[in-house]
Amino acid sequence: AQKITQTQPGMFVQEKEAVTLDCTYDTSDQSYGLFWYKQPSSGEMIFLIYQGSYDEQNATEGRYSLNFQKARKSANLVISASQLGDSAMYFCAMRERNAGGTSYGKLTFGQGTILTVHP
Amino acid sequence: DGGITQSPKYLFRKEGQNVTLSCEQNLNHDAMYWYRQDPGQGLRLIYYSQIVNDFQKGDIAEGYSVSREKKESFPLTVTSAQKNPTAFYLCASSMGGFTGELFFGEGSRLTVL
Repeated sequence: AQKITQTQPGMFVQEKEAVTLDCTYDTSDQSYGLFWYKQPSSGEMIFLIYQGSYDEQNATEGRYSLNFQKARKSANLVISASQLGDSAMYFCAMRERNAGGTSYGKLTFGQGTILTVHP
Repeated sequence: DGGITQSPKYLFRKEGQNVTLSCEQNLNHDAMYWYRQDPGQGLRLIYYSQIVNDFQKGDIAEGYSVSREKKESFPLTVTSAQKNPTAFYLCASSMGGFTGELFFGEGSRLTVL
């Protein structure tokens, strides 16, 4: 089973409007972390926002917010007031404990969503 | 400036040749990672290391090897055993622990001719 599922291969949004990128995850851990990254066409990976499984408030960073619904195992990214520079691939990722259960390490990534912002 | 440096940015290889991708970080991070990305796809973990002289296989380690002799360096060798090595390779590092995000290099694009 996929650990991270991003069901929207591509999304379009008009400049200055808000857009939601979907992400669902699968884990049996109680402690985990959820991340969103942006990848422009240049290929670099830019960290956007983080949500811990025990965080009661939804994470926000500027125009980015994370709509965290723990019972539904979803962690959707909301971008407000879209800009042309937001056009990129967006990845949702999760960190769980390692197999030994003693330390936290690698991120597992979803397949990504390509966002295109129209003027 | 602190960051992660990957080299070379572009690399061409003939079939049957081994090639080594360099990854150096000056962020004093304990953990380092190698991911592979194919066109239009997500990132898949090849190897990771949480401490010097120790590393673990990721999801797609076959045909790859790594070493972690220094905290700053985590080179990846793509061997001739890797059946389909043409891809974009991304190195990352983190403080380790639960909340630390991964910091990525700019990537190395490997093409097998």
